[in-house]
Amino acid sequence: GAVVSQHPSWVICKSGTSVKIECRSLDFQATTMFWYRQFPKQSLMLMATSNEGSKATYEQGVEKDKFLINHASLTLSTLTVTSAHPEDSSFYICSARISHHEQYFGPGTRLTVT
Amino acid sequence: KNQVEQSPQSLIILEGKNCTLQCNYTVSPFSNLRWYKQDTGRGPVSLTIMTFSENTKSNGRYTATLDADTKQSSLHITASQLSDSASYICVVSDNTDKLIFGTGTRLQVFP
Repeated sequence: GAVVSQHPSWVICKSGTSVKIECRSLDFQATTMFWYRQFPKQSLMLMATSNEGSKATYEQGVEKDKFLINHASLTLSTLTVTSAHPEDSSFYICSARISHHEQYFGPGTRLTVT
Repeated sequence: KNQVEQSPQSLIILEGKNCTLQCNYTVSPFSNLRWYKQDTGRGPVSLTIMTFSENTKSNGRYTATLDADTKQSSLHITASQLSDSASYICVVSDNTDKLIFGTGTRLQVFP
């Protein structure tokens, strides 16, 4: 099946710093990638939809200036958490759409802000 | 409001036993329904995907059913193994391909 990778798998950063998370589709091209956030014992919450070569579409309540998304190629999307705070600590998951019906999820990135 | 509800919230079973997880949805218009398995600290992995016209689909020891009239789905796990311990998430897609996630069922399989 299609493989989506994320890097890093976990990261610890100090409050006020920025963190970049990469999402790559390894064996297919994805014009659309999605970024989710998941808090403990909760389901995935869509943050934004990333389309290659255009601006991301953010869900209501997600600050676009805080969560910068870049989808510069058909195999790479990045999420940058700017000026991170402890409340941004969460599990960030990306997915890549391979067809009309199918999305494949990455393994997730655990962000801890101290 | 589009919603996906799952039951039970959590389930404990002994290795080798069968179990069934439930999913009710109110998503309209309906495009497809998926079941995912999510291990702790990992991303979701697709188990099955069903469109409106499909009422059952199997993937090894996993069998999903769909009743589009009552808007219910179930995931049956046969002969459970310790590695089946995970969260199982029901996800329904509308015709915009937006995914509506259920809150999941946390399954624990004990020896």
